[in-house]
Amino acid sequence: GAGVSQSPSNKVTEKGKDVELRCDPISGHTALYWYRQSLGQGLEFLIYFQGNSAPDKSGLPSDRFSAERTGGSVSTLTIQRTQQEDSAVYLCASSPYERGPTDTQYFGPGTRLTVL
Amino acid sequence: DQQVKQNSPSLSVQEGRISILNCDYTNSMFDYFLWYKKYPAEGPTFLISISSIKDKNEDGRFTVFLNKSAKHLSLHIVPSQPGDSAVYFCAASRGGTSYGKLTFGQGTILTVHP
Repeated sequence: GAGVSQSPSNKVTEKGKDVELRCDPISGHTALYWYRQSLGQGLEFLIYFQGNSAPDKSGLPSDRFSAERTGGSVSTLTIQRTQQEDSAVYLCASSPYERGPTDTQYFGPGTRLTVL
Repeated sequence: DQQVKQNSPSLSVQEGRISILNCDYTNSMFDYFLWYKKYPAEGPTFLISISSIKDKNEDGRFTVFLNKSAKHLSLHIVPSQPGDSAVYFCAASRGGTSYGKLTFGQGTILTVHP
């Protein structure tokens, strides 16, 4: 079956512009996670959605970052007024959550964001 | 601050030998640990996990060891195969609803030579 897909695969933008990154999770997966990997760093948790619960936004680095998940499926991560330090690979993962939060997370290939 | 650290950026081993990848963590609240493997242009894929109530978990050629007192875990791959060449990330999480909020290390590039 289809895995997690993300678009675009690469995005180059100018400082100060807004960007939207999209994630299509595996069909039927109720949990969706966003991470980012900056150069030389490990993946950093940003936000997660589970079912109809309020999202856990505890990892978002600033109020310029927001995410939504429409209809319990597709998610969009929006970064407003991008800064050069936002340059990173943004990864999305989904999980069936059948065993709860320890259930396996399946990652997409990521979106490489470059802010000039 | 880097709560999960993989201090070896790379490791090179011969096919058939053992690969040992190491990971250290600083947050004593972590109680669930995972290893992921990543090939170029793909997302990380889950390999193996271990709960803090165990000190060892095996799955085929992969074994994860956890030393809670030292805040250290390791992944052993025996025997190593060329197809194991990839970037390996360790990850950790706290309990309860935070189990899914993974904190990752920087990764170790494993190269297995034929």
